[in-house]
Parts: sequence; structure tokens; C-alpha cells
Amino acid sequence: SAVISQKPSRDICQRGTSLTIQCQVDSQVTMMFWYRQQPGQSLTLIATANQGSEATYESGFVIDKFPISRPNLTFSTLTVSNMSPEDSSIYLCSVAPASGRGQETQYFGPGTRLLVL
Amino acid sequence: GENVEQHPSTLSVQEGDSAVIKCTYSDSASNYFPWYKQELGKGPQLIIDIRSNVGEKKDQRIAVTLNKTAKHFSLHITETQPEDSAVYFCAAEAGGFKTIFGAGTRLFVKA
Repeated sequence: SAVISQKPSRDICQRGTSLTIQCQVDSQVTMMFWYRQQPGQSLTLIATANQGSEATYESGFVIDKFPISRPNLTFSTLTVSNMSPEDSSIYLCSVAPASGRGQETQYFGPGTRLLVL
Repeated sequence: GENVEQHPSTLSVQEGDSAVIKCTYSDSASNYFPWYKQELGKGPQLIIDIRSNVGEKKDQRIAVTLNKTAKHFSLHITETQPEDSAVYFCAAEAGGFKTIFGAGTRLFVKA
């Protein structure tokens, strides 16, 4: 498994502002992902963070709203831009240490709890 | 694409009883099925997983079964304890390193 930390753990933000969430892993990993979990709901994949190239976004999520960086194999950031109350969610970073089909085990960070007023 | 359905949404059991959570998936090409436990205020934690070449896997009080023909898989928790109270998510790999999650089951274990 991998030890994953996220910063901040929680924040309260004003609408129209942006927040950058950091994800740090204790070892180099091939795959990193960002998920959103709305209150009482399941996990929805926002994007796959690719090292050295642009992130791959899922349907319904766009780079202008959720820019992602992945400068190396242990770190990634997700920015939630121009926030509205609808962005209030838990944002989760996950990693898959191994690559290849059948090696998709993902491990999650503790999450960032965001409230937008 | 892959779709995962999970039942029940809420499950309440008495301490010491068993709990069963069931999931179905749609993509016959899926070969990997993890289960996660999420406690309040924490991220999901992997508790057990199963691959398609195995029909059943057990780890102490937790077991998972897989029926590839019917595209069903289930989580069984025996001798439940209050600390088992949490939200449980089933999931299925969907190719391209993606994982699709079920809607979750909120388990309450009453002491």
C-alpha cells in the first residue's frame, strides 16, 4: 500500500474564489486520481493525473474548472476554480502503485472537506 | 461503460450477527473487484478484493464471493462488531485503470 496525505484537510471558502488541494505520496506511483464525493454520495472520478502531461478528464469535468498538476511521481494538485456552493464536497486523491490491467488496486488519501459559502 | 449497483443502501444488524452487501456489474470484461470501508471523516480504506480467477476470498471475519456468470459479487461480514459501523463501497475495474464505485451501503451495528 501507500501512505497518502492531503492538504488542507478542510476549508471554508467564499464563492468565486479558488482552492488548491495538494496530494503527497510516500513512494513513487504510476497512477494518481482525483475524485469528488458529494455529501452522502459515492465517489465520482474527476480526472487521472498524468505525470509530465495534461490530465485526462472524465465527462462532466473540464480543465478550466479543475486544473490539475502532476510535476513528479509523488505529488499532485487539484484546483477548484471560481467556486460555487455546488462545489461543496469531499475531494479525494487516490493512487494505484502498480500498472497494467488487473493491477488497479487504489489507495485513498484522507480527503479534503470543502464548504463553499 | 461499466455500471455498478449496490444493495442495500442501509443495513442495520445486531452485534454478533452477519451482514451481507450485494453488488452487480455490467461489464463482463471486468476482472477486479475491490471493497472499501469509509468511516466518518476519513477516506475509503481497502478492506478486501477479489479477482475473476477466484470465486471466494476470506480474511478473518470478512469474505467476498464472486459469480462471474451472473455478474454478482458480495461482501460478507460475520460476528459484526460496533466498529464495523461505516459506509461500505463495492467497485469494479472498468479498464484504463478506472474503477467504478457502487452507491454505498451504510452499515449500523447495534451493541
